[in-house]
Amino acid sequence: EAGVVQSPRYKIIEKKQPVAFWCNPISGHNTLYWYRQNLGQGPELLIRYENEEAVDDSQLPKDRFSAERLKGVDSTLKIQPAELGDSAVYLCASSPRGGEQFFGPGTRLTVL
Amino acid sequence: DQQVKQNSPSLSVQEGRISILNCDYTNSMFDYFLWYKKYPAEGPTFLISISSIKDKNEDGRFTVFLNKSAKHLSLHIVPSQPGDSAVYFCAASANFGNEKLTFGTGTRLTIIP
Repeated sequence: EAGVVQSPRYKIIEKKQPVAFWCNPISGHNTLYWYRQNLGQGPELLIRYENEEAVDDSQLPKDRFSAERLKGVDSTLKIQPAELGDSAVYLCASSPRGGEQFFGPGTRLTVL
Repeated sequence: DQQVKQNSPSLSVQEGRISILNCDYTNSMFDYFLWYKKYPAEGPTFLISISSIKDKNEDGRFTVFLNKSAKHLSLHIVPSQPGDSAVYFCAASANFGNEKLTFGTGTRLTIIP
């Protein structure tokens, strides 16, 4: 069974530039999560989807971050414009319905 | 406010001995707990979980213990192997895993051959 796929794996951009991350969850998993992990910290939830619906986006900085999950499968997370403090690893995870979450390898973003 | 705490940033254990990783939580709504293992440049990998209706769960060399009154859980690895060297994250959720996971800051485990 294929795991959670994320791209790109690494991204370096200048501040104020836009950036987008893509996630393809495990087939059949209804729930999709985006987390941000800062250096030396655990992952922190940005947004959770149940199928196409964002059911928890309370931690998403909506002034610059946006996300979508069209057709309830793939998801894209966008930052526009990026700031220096956005440098982190962005993790996507999926689960069939709550419980154990399966994580992708993450995208390491560096904002210069 | 750190609701899930892993107070030991690092731990070194001799190969073959027992590794004990600890985790404390403050939110009494948490009723489902998980341990994840993370290698460099990879995403966290699920290891083992426990719900609040149990106080122990075993899977091979890994055992998780939950002390609800103390709001404390621990992960025991025995015997420890070099491949166990990684960062271990404790995570907690409410509603038996149907809510978001709240992670601790991780403990870096090093197994000494």
